Amino acid sequence: SQTIHQWPATLVQPVGSPLSLECTVEGTSNPNLYWYRQAAGRGLQLLFYSVGIGQISSEVPQNLSASRPQDRQFILSSKKLLLSDSGFYLCAWNPESGYTFGSGTRLTVV
Amino acid sequence: QKEVEQDPGPLSVPEGAIVSLNCTYSNSAFQYFMWYRQYSRKGPELLMYTYSSGNKEDGRFTAQVDKSSKYISLFIRDSQPSDSATYLCAMSANSGYALNFGKGTSLLVTP
Repeated sequence: SQTIHQWPATLVQPVGSPLSLECTVEGTSNPNLYWYRQAAGRGLQLLFYSVGIGQISSEVPQNLSASRPQDRQFILSSKKLLLSDSGFYLCAWNPESGYTFGSGTRLTVV
Repeated sequence: QKEVEQDPGPLSVPEGAIVSLNCTYSNSAFQYFMWYRQYSRKGPELLMYTYSSGNKEDGRFTAQVDKSSKYISLFIRDSQPSDSATYLCAMSANSGYALNFGKGTSLLVTP
């Protein structure tokens, strides 16, 4: 079966610290992968998407970067977190009938 | 004008009521339409997936797409307290493209 895993579930990080969030997909190959951020009152904002290994497209200029080192692995990173990076981060992929989301990481930058 | 508009609510209904949730959009290229349910502090869960215009039914849920009016709806029959959640509409021009989301409608079903 096809599943998507995302971790950690929650994270509290100080301003200026680095960030690494990981997402993996099982049961498929060469999926399109996405990182979204959900902030209160702003809906889901697409941050990055990837159609293959090493292929990353950025939708929003920000303090974040993404990488896809393996076919089914998608990583969201930051070298120095800002307060404004706080939010709910969601990884997603799209099988043929709709997009499936991971369980999300709630990041609080303090 | 945002590409996808959705009334944030909150919408409060008694148990057993029929719920109607709606989104409007501006991009006529959108062909794939989805509804997600999101419980507090959880990832969105796909409820309905529709291609182009028409209706689709799944249990208590019915999705409608009217491309001529650029308007989509989700109906929930015999609503239950467990339906209390935020409902997000989403759409894209092509399968594989990133989704455009509404901001979500908060629904509360009271016993």
